[in-house]
Amino acid sequence: AQSVTQLDSQVPVFEEAPVELRCNYSSSVSVYLFWYVQYPNQGLQLLLKYLSGSTLVESINGFEAEFNKSQTSFHLRKPSVHISDTAEYFCAVRSGAQKLVFGQGTRLTINP
Amino acid sequence: KAGVTQTPRYLIKTRGQQVTLSCSPISGHRSVSWYQQTPGQGLQFLFEYFSETQRNKGNFPGRFSGRQFSNSRSEMNVSTLELGDSALYLCASSLVSDRNYEQYFGPGTRLTVT
Repeated sequence: AQSVTQLDSQVPVFEEAPVELRCNYSSSVSVYLFWYVQYPNQGLQLLLKYLSGSTLVESINGFEAEFNKSQTSFHLRKPSVHISDTAEYFCAVRSGAQKLVFGQGTRLTINP
Repeated sequence: KAGVTQTPRYLIKTRGQQVTLSCSPISGHRSVSWYQQTPGQGLQFLFEYFSETQRNKGNFPGRFSGRQFSNSRSEMNVSTLELGDSALYLCASSLVSDRNYEQYFGPGTRLTVT
C-alpha cells in the first residue's frame, strides 16, 4: 500500500528566507507525485506535479520539487518566501489508477 | 472553464440525521473523487466514481455512500450522522487519461454535526 510522510507538521520561517517542506513516500511501483496547497477556508489547489521525465519540476509562483527515486522523496522548496505563501501544503502520491494518497500536511507560517 | 462546484458550502445537521452533498465536476471531466478532511485524520479518501461506477473505495463505514449521474455530477450521502462526521468534505474531478491523473478540487462543504 502506498503511504506519504510529511516530516514536519509546522514550518515557521521569516519572509524572504528559503524553505523546504519534506515529503517521503512508500510505493513499490511507479508513482505520480503531487504537491497541493490549501489556503484558509478553501479547497486544495495543485501546486506542481511529477509524472515522468525531468526530476525537477517547477510551479509558476517560484516553488520547485525534486523527485528522488532512490530516496523516495519529493521535497518542496522555495528560495525566498512571501507572506502570501502562508498556507497548508500537502504532498500526495498516486500509482496508476489507484486512489490519491495524501500526507498529513505541513503548515507553513511566514513571519515578517 | 468553470471549476469544480460543491453545494452547499456550509451545513449544520443533528446527530442521527442524514445529509446529501453535491459536486459538479469541471466540464468534460468524468472522474469524481470525494475526500473527508479533519484536523485529526487529515485528508482521507472516501470513494471515486468514473462513468457512473464506483472505481475505488476508502475505509469508511457503509453509512457513507455516493453515486454519479450520467452528466458526471456526483452526490455523497451520509446516513445516521455522528459527531465525528463533522468535517470538510472535498470533491475533486479529473480527466483520467493514461497519463493525467491531476485532480482539481472544489472549495468543499463544511459539515457540522451537533
